[in-house]
Amino acid sequence: AQSVSQHNHHVILSEAASLELGCNYSYGGTVNLFWYVQYPGQHLQLLLKYFSGDPLVKGIKGFEAEFIKSKFSFNLRKPSVQWSDTAEYFCAVITTSGTYKYIFGTGTRLKVLA
Amino acid sequence: DVKVTQSSRYLVKRTGEKVFLECVQDMDHENMFWYRQDPGLGLRLIYFSYDVKMKEKGDIPEGYSVSREKKERFSLILESASTNQTSMYLCASSGTWTGGNEKLFFGSGTQLSVL
Repeated sequence: AQSVSQHNHHVILSEAASLELGCNYSYGGTVNLFWYVQYPGQHLQLLLKYFSGDPLVKGIKGFEAEFIKSKFSFNLRKPSVQWSDTAEYFCAVITTSGTYKYIFGTGTRLKVLA
Repeated sequence: DVKVTQSSRYLVKRTGEKVFLECVQDMDHENMFWYRQDPGLGLRLIYFSYDVKMKEKGDIPEGYSVSREKKERFSLILESASTNQTSMYLCASSGTWTGGNEKLFFGSGTQLSVL
């Protein structure tokens, strides 16, 4: 079965530190890849997405992610985090075998210390 | 902006009760989804629907059923609630998946406690 793995469950950083959150998926076909964010007390919202083309995609609030097909990875990065980036981050994949399924990873809780 | 409305923010039910969780979206979206969100397990897909009266099982459909009689409304039903169904339930919707509409819009969630 298709799955999405997020290796870091909890990450604590100081402001201005660089961030990289790992995401790997297990699916050999065409995929669409996403990162969603859930700020405390708020709805899940889309951070960025990859469909095709340039494997480096840029999202809102200075986030970017790189799709590396050979590694089945879609890691999220930000050069310098802020206290307001404290949130839970979810990687997600749409798979296209049979019916479409929108599958999420287990999430990474990021805490940024002021 | 798209609005996905879940009828209850908090719900407390007893074991064995039949529970209905309602979700309504106002953007004429074809696709609707039910997830449950548990700490350390992320979002797990229960059921989804890509059209009225259509439904597909997700990864954890056992103990749940769904109903989609109208395009804007997608209901999740717990036929006989059990304590292991205590969770945060999230509804989401999206437009047709043709090049760019794959973004999910989420409701605010229903925290269900089964005692």
